[in-house]
Amino acid sequence: QVQLVESGGGVVQPGGSLRLSCAASGFTFSSYGMHWVRQAPGKGLEWVAFIRYDGSNKYYADSVKGRFTISRDNSKNTLYLQMNSLRAEDTAVYYCARADIVVQEAFDIWGQGTMVTVSS
Amino acid sequence: SSELTQDPAVSVALGQTVRITCQGDSLRSYYASWYQQKPGQAPVLVIYGKNNRPSGIPDRFSGSSSGNTASLTITGAQAEDEADYYCNSRDSSGNPWVFGGGTKLTVL
Repeated sequence: QVQLVESGGGVVQPGGSLRLSCAASGFTFSSYGMHWVRQAPGKGLEWVAFIRYDGSNKYYADSVKGRFTISRDNSKNTLYLQMNSLRAEDTAVYYCARADIVVQEAFDIWGQGTMVTVSS
Repeated sequence: SSELTQDPAVSVALGQTVRITCQGDSLRSYYASWYQQKPGQAPVLVIYGKNNRPSGIPDRFSGSSSGNTASLTITGAQAEDEADYYCNSRDSSGNPWVFGGGTKLTVL
């Protein structure tokens, strides 16, 4: 079945780095744009980053621009989020989500999320 | 930066109809999508595009739009519909994708 599985979350000190992964299965990963979305504890959803199906274009939220890097390896069906210079306000559950192939506004498949805690 | 505004909380009696709204300038140009999120779970897409439901979403969920406001309607709300609901859309200013703040739906 169509599935996204995130990994790589954990506890990191302020200023530290972490790399999240999202393993895709059950669909042709290389045909879809992919997003990262986060949710701070008790808060709403916040869009973080997007990468086109072929990796040719990347977009970032202002809150993470210059610190986070989205990438993908279509040969491994895997999406990544490299997070540097982490701050307390980056503490959140991070979800990867697939962009609908026709309706670009829609995020049609979501992973279960991975928790990132930035704390000393 | 652009925003999508949702009412923080809405309630509905079991079996009645409820409308959850999402307002924002970007909705004049782009469709809204709607997501249901239950505690401890990932969001699930329930409505996208003009008024499309993914496979497995009950037909009591529907979407509409007028001007700068998009609406999610649940006709005959069930106990299992109690959840947080988020809208999102594209945006031509600020961040290219944006989410609303979410609406907590209580089914009485």
